[in-house]
Order: sequence, then C-alpha cells, then structure tokens
Amino acid sequence: DVKVTQSSRYLVKRTGEKVFLECVQDMDHENMFWYRQDPGLGLRLIYFSYDVKMKEKGDIPEGYSVSREKKERFSLILESASTNQTSMYLCASSLKGLRELFFGEGSRLTVL
Amino acid sequence: GQNIDQPTEMTATEGAIVQINCTYQTSGFNGLFWYQQHAGEAPTFLSYNVLDGLEEKGRFSSFLSRSKGYSYLLLKELQMKDSASYLCAVRGYNNNDMRFGAGTRLTVKP
Repeated sequence: DVKVTQSSRYLVKRTGEKVFLECVQDMDHENMFWYRQDPGLGLRLIYFSYDVKMKEKGDIPEGYSVSREKKERFSLILESASTNQTSMYLCASSLKGLRELFFGEGSRLTVL
Repeated sequence: GQNIDQPTEMTATEGAIVQINCTYQTSGFNGLFWYQQHAGEAPTFLSYNVLDGLEEKGRFSSFLSRSKGYSYLLLKELQMKDSASYLCAVRGYNNNDMRFGAGTRLTVKP
C-alpha cells in the first residue's frame, strides 16, 4: 500500500514563527503536492513538484515556499506564519502522468 | 483559470440513488476525478474519466461530457457509510496538476 506520511497531525504556532510541514511518501512517486483545505473552499493547490528540486506554483503560493531535495520528501515552509494560514494542510503524491492522488492524513495548523 | 462547481450539500435516504453533479471551466483538461472524504480523514480516490461516457465501478458510476464541461457521480443502493464529502477534481494539460471543487457533503439518512 502507498503510504504518505505527514510529520505532524496538529500544530499550534504563533504569528511570525517559521513553520515546517514535512511529507514523506514510500512509493517512489514523481509528483508531490501541497493543498490546504478550508470549509466552503475545498482543497486549494499551494505548490506541486514533479521531480527532485523542481517546483511549480499552484493557485495560492503567497506566504509559502517548498523544498524537494529528495524524491520521497516534500516540505512546505511558512516563512512567517499568519493567522490566515490557520488551516488543514494535505500532502499528496502520484505517479508521473497523474492517474490518482494518494493523500496523507493531514496537518491541522493553528496560528495564534 | 479554473472554476469547478458542485453543490454544497445533499441529503438522501438509505437504499436510494443519488447523483452529484460537477461542472467545470478550466484552461486545460486532461481528466476528471472523483474522491471521497469522510470527516476527519484524507480523501480517497473513487473514479476517473478522461473520455466521454459512463464508467461503472460497483455501486458507484461516474459520467463525463467534455463538450458540456460536466460530470456526475452516481451512487446506488446508498448505505449509511456513504455519508461523506465527494470532491470533483480536474487534471490539467501538463498532467502535473490537479485542482478540486469545494466538495459536496452527502448525508445519508435511515
């Protein structure tokens, strides 16, 4: 079974802190994605990566950056957390060609 | 740009049939996906359409009309465990991005 693991299920941070959200997949998938999910807005694409060291902006990249140094790991970075970044963050991976996404359990971030 | 629309909420009765619609307007299209998400859990893949027509998989079927920018997910013989959110998603031309609608929360009542 494909396993996508997100490092933290729940985080509470303060405004201005730097936040790292880590995601690891164990199926040698080329594509990895970061989404945020908010009530009424659904899943919104922040960034995706189709190869090591490659990244593409999604629909809402402002305030976020990403890192993909190894194929299995895709990190989301909030350089200076703000309260409007309080959300559920979902990582996903897929094979090249993108037939289906496999999601992690999610990281619920609260910024105070 | 991307615009993917689906109803916010639907209610149906156990044993019945329900159809969840999705319309999309996207700058590129290379496939439409449906995912199921139970409360507090990650989305899981249900179905995939890239050509027009109906794809059937057990109690679930999905239909696509590319010319109309329209899809639906059909759930038959509803069970209580089908209460969940159903997410419509469109894959872009470059095969490397997938964008989602806001989801339809389905409640199945006895």
